[in-house]
Amino acid sequence: AQSVTQLGSHVSVSEGALVLLRCNYSSSVPPYLFWYVQYPNQGLQLLLKYTTGATLVKGINGFEAEFKKSETSFHLTKPSAHMSDAAEYFCAVSRQGGKLIFGQGTELSVKP
Amino acid sequence: DGGITQSPKYLFRKEGQNVTLSCEQNLNHDAMYWYRQDPGQGLRLIYYSQIVNDFQKGDIAEGYSVSREKKESFPLTVTSAQKNPTAFYLCASSNFHDSNYGYTFGSGTRLTVV
Repeated sequence: AQSVTQLGSHVSVSEGALVLLRCNYSSSVPPYLFWYVQYPNQGLQLLLKYTTGATLVKGINGFEAEFKKSETSFHLTKPSAHMSDAAEYFCAVSRQGGKLIFGQGTELSVKP
Repeated sequence: DGGITQSPKYLFRKEGQNVTLSCEQNLNHDAMYWYRQDPGQGLRLIYYSQIVNDFQKGDIAEGYSVSREKKESFPLTVTSAQKNPTAFYLCASSNFHDSNYGYTFGSGTRLTVV
């Protein structure tokens, strides 16, 4: 069975600081991994995804994530936080039939 | 432009009423999904459909019903049997045969019981 764990339901950083949102997965087969962002009262928007190939994946808005098979991790990073990055972030892994399993979400706050 | 449209954006329901949330997509996706979102609980799958005229229960299907008569449409009915329907509801679609595509989400419907 596949599952996703996001460490930390709430992360707070200062503007300009490094953003690190943690995601660990369990999967018996090579996974497809995704990060989504949700702004208040909106749907989820795809930030980036890992399917095959390069393990460092670049997404929109300056975010990137690295697939580390040995650590079963897919952490999301951004070198310098901006106020507009404040949102909720969801990590997800695909399972048989294409259905995604989502983590519980991490709310990112950015302090001026 | 292709996408998913959910309507209405806000919906108010009286106790004992059934209400229907609309979800329409023009992405030619085979699969469609309904999620419920409550604060601190992430996304919980209500129902999903991988093909027209077929759908399966998700993790929290009790008190909900769906239909899939057209590929483009997947309405969700919140029945009076759902005891705590106040939540944010999200519809999504995907290309079932292409697992690396991920989901496309609608903008959501916020349902409130009054």
